[in-house]
Amino acid sequence: GAVVSQHPSWVICKSGTSVKIECRSLDFQATTMFWYRQFPKQSLMLMATSNEGSKATYEQGVEKDKFLINHASLTLSTLTVTSAHPEDSSFYICSASRVSSYNEQFFGPGTRLTVL
Amino acid sequence: GEDVEQSLFLSVREGDSSVINCTYTDSSSTYLYWYKQEPGAGLQLLTYIFSNMDMKQDQRLTVLLNKKDKHLSLRIADTQTGDSAIYFCAERGYNNDMRFGAGTRLTVKP
Repeated sequence: GAVVSQHPSWVICKSGTSVKIECRSLDFQATTMFWYRQFPKQSLMLMATSNEGSKATYEQGVEKDKFLINHASLTLSTLTVTSAHPEDSSFYICSASRVSSYNEQFFGPGTRLTVL
Repeated sequence: GEDVEQSLFLSVREGDSSVINCTYTDSSSTYLYWYKQEPGAGLQLLTYIFSNMDMKQDQRLTVLLNKKDKHLSLRIADTQTGDSAIYFCAERGYNNDMRFGAGTRLTVKP
């Protein structure tokens, strides 16, 4: 149990276009979802935390108008990279948290975004 | 700089034990985690330890926590080539956010 999926797994887009990435918790209700970004050979950087039905909380330095997060239900969160540029190319990973004895986060497989 | 620090590389021979070390800074951390990331994939939780424990063993994995020194280690016994991956240490703070180390790339040589 506790599976998180992401779609698409990889995407290539032209500069200036917008890309939407979905994160779904398949077999549990996620009270909180997190979006991370991972640059090559670097650690994960938390971008934002979203709770269902409320606005996402963005980490310092993350542009909320560029990285739109919608958490419409307890099983789905979306990250939209608006007006993508080559520097937005990265590996985006979401995680979902459910209420449990140790509040573990379950990670999605990641989405590799390449902006040409 | 990183709140959670790890050495970047570790190379061992197949069959040896691997020890990956991590230091963290948030004394209010509630849980500490070890994740494994294979190339191009997301993170896979290997094991976790609650902050009031000092050791946890799970098959080939042993986690040691020195809360006084804020030092966490992961020992993999009888390391196999399939263990080659990047291992991330992470801490969960009191406000439920998580901070990751930069990851240690483990290479297992036959």
